[in-house]
Amino acid sequence: QVQLQESGPGLVKPSETLSLTCAVSGGSISSYYWSWVRQPPGKGLEWIGHMYYTGTTNYNPSLKSRVTISLDTSQNQVSLKLTSVTAADTAVYYCARDGRYHHYMDVWGKGTTVTVSS
Amino acid sequence: EIVMTQSPDTLSVSPGERATLSCRASQSISSNLAWYQQKPGQAPRLLIYGAITRATGIPARFSGSGSGTEFTLTISSLQSEDFAVYYCQQYNNWPPLTFGGGTKVQIK
Repeated sequence: QVQLQESGPGLVKPSETLSLTCAVSGGSISSYYWSWVRQPPGKGLEWIGHMYYTGTTNYNPSLKSRVTISLDTSQNQVSLKLTSVTAADTAVYYCARDGRYHHYMDVWGKGTTVTVSS
Repeated sequence: EIVMTQSPDTLSVSPGERATLSCRASQSISSNLAWYQQKPGQAPRLLIYGAITRATGIPARFSGSGSGTEFTLTISSLQSEDFAVYYCQQYNNWPPLTFGGGTKVQIK
């Protein structure tokens, strides 16, 4: 079955760019949207944005000016970049598969913890 | 942005009892609602989509109901593995996709 694995630096300095990758195995990234969701320590879930394999992207308006999601279909990977980070961006970051027509998330990665600190 | 409000924040239930969790949308979302379960240190797991349809492998003790703005997740007879935090998520009006704040189901 499809499995997702997030990776990237666990520590990012304030004002720098957070960069994460999600490796998709067991299936193709075609025909689905791929979302990033984050969860600050002890808090709830926040959707960051998603991308379809054709290149269509949608972002959370609250983060839109700082977020870029991209896909590498040759590598079956999804990437997230978040610029100008602050301590408020400290969270567990998850990638998840979401549907072409109905955007609930049926497959999730285990998540990766990112701390923003100098 | 559609705001999702879950209640209660915490629900204390004895094993074997029924648990009823509520989720309210700030405007109608038809049946475009999903429920997730999250255990400590784990990723969320899809339980229900389309307000009422169980995801693959989800036990029949989990059921969803509702449409429009009011939704309910019912766990008919709580098992030890069901103690977790539950989130609802709407996918009717986006961006953004939005989640409720969660309901923690704990052992009474």
